[in-house]
Amino acid sequence: QKEVEQNSGPLSVPEGAIASLNCTYSDRGSQSFFWYRQYSGKSPELIMFIYSNGDKEDGRFTAQLNKASQYVSLLIRDSQPSDSATYLCAVKVGFQKLVFGTGTRLLVSP
Amino acid sequence: SAVISQKPSRDICQRGTSLTIQCQVDSQVTMMFWYRQQPGQSLTLIATANQGSEATYESGFVIDKFPISRPNLTFSTLTVSNMSPEDSSIYLCSVTSGPTYNEQFFGPGTRLTVL
Repeated sequence: QKEVEQNSGPLSVPEGAIASLNCTYSDRGSQSFFWYRQYSGKSPELIMFIYSNGDKEDGRFTAQLNKASQYVSLLIRDSQPSDSATYLCAVKVGFQKLVFGTGTRLLVSP
Repeated sequence: SAVISQKPSRDICQRGTSLTIQCQVDSQVTMMFWYRQQPGQSLTLIATANQGSEATYESGFVIDKFPISRPNLTFSTLTVSNMSPEDSSIYLCSVTSGPTYNEQFFGPGTRLTVL
């Protein structure tokens, strides 16, 4: 069983719509969760992190965490073509180790 | 966040040779890590680079294949030894930084192709 699971996509949304990216994890003891954006040929860029159940908003991005369901999501409001990238969910396991999902490819069409 | 640089940015190497990748950070950081991203796949942690002591390797990675040095709090190297085509990957260093030292930030990566 994979520790962090994501739908590989692609997830296609029109410009201006809300993109919803989902991630499930297996380690119930995990406390920290991260979303990275990776453009093709580039390294991952940290977008958001969340530690507590509920929602955390930063600009157009909202991270949602439900520890009981072992579920993390990322909402991108007013999606732009420049948001087209692969979004990686990462879960901290143990002291500092990050375990990554395989990523969801997002395509935002003009 | 810390500014991270890696050298080389890319290289093409012959089977059986070794390549050393450098990671330089513009400020002192406690934790440094080395990851691998194989073509079309996600990131896998190779090891944690410990300052002044031996690196801590993840399951499936060994020191003889991936020796790591970390002589100080701003610099680390990863060597990929006795390379085979299966070692063709992007190698990334990362550091913990930010207000809570919980966030990990990645360098630009080294794209390695082994022929």
